[in-house]
Amino acid sequence: AQSVTQPDIHITVSEGASLELRCNYSYGATPYLFWYVQSPGQGLQLLLKYFSGDTLVQGIKGFEAEFKRSQSSFNLRKPSVHWSDAAEYFCAVGASGGGADGLTFGKGTHLIIQP
Amino acid sequence: DAGITQSPRHKVTETGTPVTLRCHQTENHRYMYWYRQDPGHGLRLIHYSYGVKDTDKGEVSDGYSVSRSKTEDFLLTLESATSSQTSVYFCAITQTRAGENYGYTFGSGTRLTVV
Repeated sequence: AQSVTQPDIHITVSEGASLELRCNYSYGATPYLFWYVQSPGQGLQLLLKYFSGDTLVQGIKGFEAEFKRSQSSFNLRKPSVHWSDAAEYFCAVGASGGGADGLTFGKGTHLIIQP
Repeated sequence: DAGITQSPRHKVTETGTPVTLRCHQTENHRYMYWYRQDPGHGLRLIHYSYGVKDTDKGEVSDGYSVSRSKTEDFLLTLESATSSQTSVYFCAITQTRAGENYGYTFGSGTRLTVV
C-alpha cells in the first residue's frame, strides 16, 4: 500500500531564512508527487507536482521540490520564507494515468514563521 | 478554475440523523473523490468515483455511502451520523487532458459537526 511520511509535525523558521520540509513516500510504481498548502480555514492549494522528467520542479510562491528516487523523497524548499508562508503543508502521492484510487496524503507539517 | 462547488459549507446535525453532502463540478471530469480531514491525520480518502454509477471505497469508508447519478454531482451520505464523523470534508476532481494527469483540485470544504 502506498504511504507518505512527513517526519516534522511542526517547524519554526525565522522570516527570511531558508526552509526545507521533508517528505518520504512508499509506492510500488512510478509515483505522481504533490505538495499542497492550506491556510487556516481554507481549502488546499497546489504548490507543485512531479510526474516525470527533471527531478527539480518549480512551483508557485517561490517553492521548489526535488524528487530523489533512491531516497524515496520529495522535499519542499524555499530560499527565503515570508510571514505569509505560515500554513499547513501536505505532501501526497498518487497513481499516474487516470487518477484511480486518489491521493494518499502525509499528516502534514505546520509551518510557523517567527518575526 | 476547475469549478468545484461543495454544499453546504457548514452543517451542524444531531447524532443518528442522516446527512448528505453535495459536490458539484462544471467541467465534466471523470474522477471525483471525497476526503475527510482531521487533525493529526491529514486527508483520508472516503470514496471515489470513476464515472456515472461507478464508485469504490477508500481508506475510511465505514459509515459512508456515495452516489453519482450524473457526471457533475457526487453525493456523500452519512446514513446515521456519529460524533466520530465530525470533520471537514473535501471533494476533489482529477484534471486530465489527453490522458495525462494534471493534478487534483479540491473544493472549499464542508465543516460538519455532529452533536
